[in-house]
Amino acid sequence: QKEVEQDPGPLSVPEGAIVSLNCTYSNSAFQYFMWYRQYSRKGPELLMYTYSSGNKEDGRFTAQVDKSSKYISLFIRDSQPSDSATYLCATKTQNNAGNMLTFGGGTRLMVKP
Amino acid sequence: SQTIHQWPATLVQPVGSPLSLECTVEGTSNPNLYWYRQAAGRGLQLLFYSVGIGQISSEVPQNLSASRPQDRQFILSSKKLLLSDSGFYLCAWTYPRDGYSYNSPLHFGNGTRLTVT
Repeated sequence: QKEVEQDPGPLSVPEGAIVSLNCTYSNSAFQYFMWYRQYSRKGPELLMYTYSSGNKEDGRFTAQVDKSSKYISLFIRDSQPSDSATYLCATKTQNNAGNMLTFGGGTRLMVKP
Repeated sequence: SQTIHQWPATLVQPVGSPLSLECTVEGTSNPNLYWYRQAAGRGLQLLFYSVGIGQISSEVPQNLSASRPQDRQFILSSKKLLLSDSGFYLCAWTYPRDGYSYNSPLHFGNGTRLTVT
């Protein structure tokens, strides 16, 4: 079993839809949670960074962490064709000598105009 | 602000040839540095990380090696490439554990797409 599971998709939605992207994890020591967006042939760029349970909002993006269920989500409101990309969730523990992340496999999102 | 540079962006190499990919970070000192590989349709695989000059940790035994000759320079090498070395190679950095914030996230370069023929 992978430490972080993510549905690979592809997820296809019409422009303007609300998108929900999800990951589950198995290690209860994970304390920090990130979402990265990766356009084709580019490196991942950091979208959201949260600590512990709760919600964090940034513009059209909301990251949600439920540590009791080991479940993390990214919501995209009013989705745009420019949101079409692969979204990677990532986590890490607090006592981590190399400050290393554990990634999900990524979900490919396609927003159709 | 901090920036990370990777080159080349694209590389086509024959089997058995050597490899050298370079990554440099600007705007910070003593970063942690990482090499990841991303195979087509798959997630990110950590290959090496470094917490300081000359300090390299290998996560996956393979045909590749890494070196950190300077504080903000990280090099990925191979003496003889295999077909299975094809992939998208990403360099990344983060603040060190005892530096600005050990809670800091990872920041990636734009990658090198390597095709071994």
